Order: sequence, then C-alpha cells, then structure tokens
Amino acid sequence: KAGVTQTPRYLIKTRGQQVTLSCSPISGHRSVSWYQQTPGQGLQFLFEYFSETQRNKGNFPGRFSGRQFSNSRSEMNVSTLELGDSALYLCASSLAVRDEQYFGPGTRLTVT
Amino acid sequence: SQQGEEDPQALSIQEGENATMNCSYKTSINNLQWYRQNSGRGLVHLILIRSNEREKHSGRLRVTLDTSKKSSSLLITASRAADTASYFCATAPGNTGKLIFGQGTTLQVKP
Repeated sequence: KAGVTQTPRYLIKTRGQQVTLSCSPISGHRSVSWYQQTPGQGLQFLFEYFSETQRNKGNFPGRFSGRQFSNSRSEMNVSTLELGDSALYLCASSLAVRDEQYFGPGTRLTVT
Repeated sequence: SQQGEEDPQALSIQEGENATMNCSYKTSINNLQWYRQNSGRGLVHLILIRSNEREKHSGRLRVTLDTSKKSSSLLITASRAADTASYFCATAPGNTGKLIFGQGTTLQVKP
C-alpha cells in the first residue's frame, strides 16, 4: 500500500498570503489528523477528521482551517500568513480514531 | 500544557549498546505510541501500546507502560548507527485521535 502523501513538499510564501496544503491518506484509512512542528513548540495538534467531520481542533487561531472530502483526502488552509506560521506541517492517517497513526513526509512552509 | 515529558533530552551511545528513553504524561490515556524522526522529516511509527497492556515487543524494540505512574519507556537493544534519530512518545487521551507529543529524545549512536 502507498503511504500517506502530502503536497507540496516545500512552499515559500510571503506574509499576508494564504496557503492550502493537501494530504492523501493510506487507502482505506478514514481518519486524518494534522500537526504543526516547530523548533520552539514541538509537535502540536491542529485538527482531526473522520468521515468528513471535524472531531477535534487544536488551540490554533481561526486562520487555520481544514476539511476532509468523501474520499478521505484532506486539505488544510492557513490564511493571512504570519512569520510564525513557518513550520513543518504533518498529516497522519489511521484506520479508525484510536488506531496507529501513520505520518506523511510533511510540507515545509516558509513564510518570509 | 498537556504535553508529556521525555527523559533524557539527548542520549549518546556506542553501536551495540542499549538505549532507554522514558516518557511521562499527565492525563489518562487510551494508548501511547512511539515514533522516530530523522532530521526533521516525517514521523515513522514504531509501536502502539494500549492502556490495558504492560509490555510490547517489536524486533529490537521493547516498550513498557505503567499507567499507575503515567509513564512509558522505549528500549532499543543492540543499537546501530542507523538508529540515530529523534524519538517521540505520543499519548491519545480518551476517545480521540488527537496525539499529544513529548519534546522528544535525540539519540546519537556512534559507529
């Protein structure tokens, strides 16, 4: 089976712009979660989706949003980018909510 | 913060030695997972241990879980240079897929 894929892998944006990141889960996995990783804050939970429904949201401002499609693919959007949004954004998928989560390679976002 | 604590923050050993990393957490959990990360790349899933399990093995990995002490340990036996990476524990509280990560242990295995 193919693993979790994320596109794009690298992205450079300027402050004030918006960005959309995409995640394709492992085939058959219905749960998708997103995490942000920075050197200062470590790995922090952003969202959790299951069957197109957001089940949980982390402590991030409303500029961060996401969605899941009927084929379980997920996107996250960050609007009005700030320098502090520079990070590695990781997507993970699992068969069900409390199962092993398998991570994609991440999207490295740099905001200048 | 609900993040767990990992100990030690950094560990340097020689090839062939064993490496032990510890993780403590604050809330009751459904399961605890260990991950490896090489140089800021994606996380590789190592092992999941559920709250009703006390020990689990996978190859050279041995994980223990003590829910009364809210702690877990990861033992890597006969370490190799390729084991050099950061190791994270992540807890899943309640009926949720939200993972709460520790700050990680950076392991260096010298050839």
